[in-house]
Amino acid sequence: AQSVTQLDSQVPVFEEAPVELRCNYSSSVSVYLFWYVQYPNQGLQLLLKYLSGSTLVKGINGFEAEFNKSQTSFHLRKPSVHISDTAEYFCAVTFFSNTGKLIFGQGTTLQVKP
Amino acid sequence: EAGVAQSPRYKIIEKRQSVAFWCNPISGHATLYWYQQILGQGPKLLIQFQNNGVVDDSQLPKDRFSAERLKGVDSTLKIQPAKLEDSAVYLCASSVVGTAIYEQYFGPGTRLTVT
Repeated sequence: AQSVTQLDSQVPVFEEAPVELRCNYSSSVSVYLFWYVQYPNQGLQLLLKYLSGSTLVKGINGFEAEFNKSQTSFHLRKPSVHISDTAEYFCAVTFFSNTGKLIFGQGTTLQVKP
Repeated sequence: EAGVAQSPRYKIIEKRQSVAFWCNPISGHATLYWYQQILGQGPKLLIQFQNNGVVDDSQLPKDRFSAERLKGVDSTLKIQPAKLEDSAVYLCASSVVGTAIYEQYFGPGTRLTVT
């Protein structure tokens, strides 16, 4: 069965420091990968996606992620975080199909401290 | 363009009562999803519509949950009767069909508290 694991439930970091949020997936078939962000009391917003091509994907708000097929990982990175990046981040996968069904990880809370 | 609209934003009910949530997707989006997000967990797909047909409802507890999408536009999710474990945020999302189906746009959600 396909699954997504986010390895850290909470990541505290100081403002302007770099951050990495980790995501691993399990699948016997090829996948598409996504990172979503959820600010308090809001819906989810797409940060970036990997469908094919370059394994380094750049998204909004200065975030990027690297797809590593051999390690089945899709870690999210930002070289310098801001207070406004404090939010919940979700990794998600979908499988080569025409339904678009997403399977989400448990989420990682990024806490940016001044 | 206007985003996905949901109402109400908050609802508190007692167990065994019924409740309904409404979603209006982005104009032109044929695919509509309902997710359940329990506190501390990622969203879980309950049901997916394409136009007014059901694509996937494998994780919908059909003994108490129902959903419809009349005329292929807005949708209603109902719970009857509610249980304590139904306390969650119910998210609606929409997308186009074709290669962009994977880019889902989410509404703000309805936070349900069952007491």
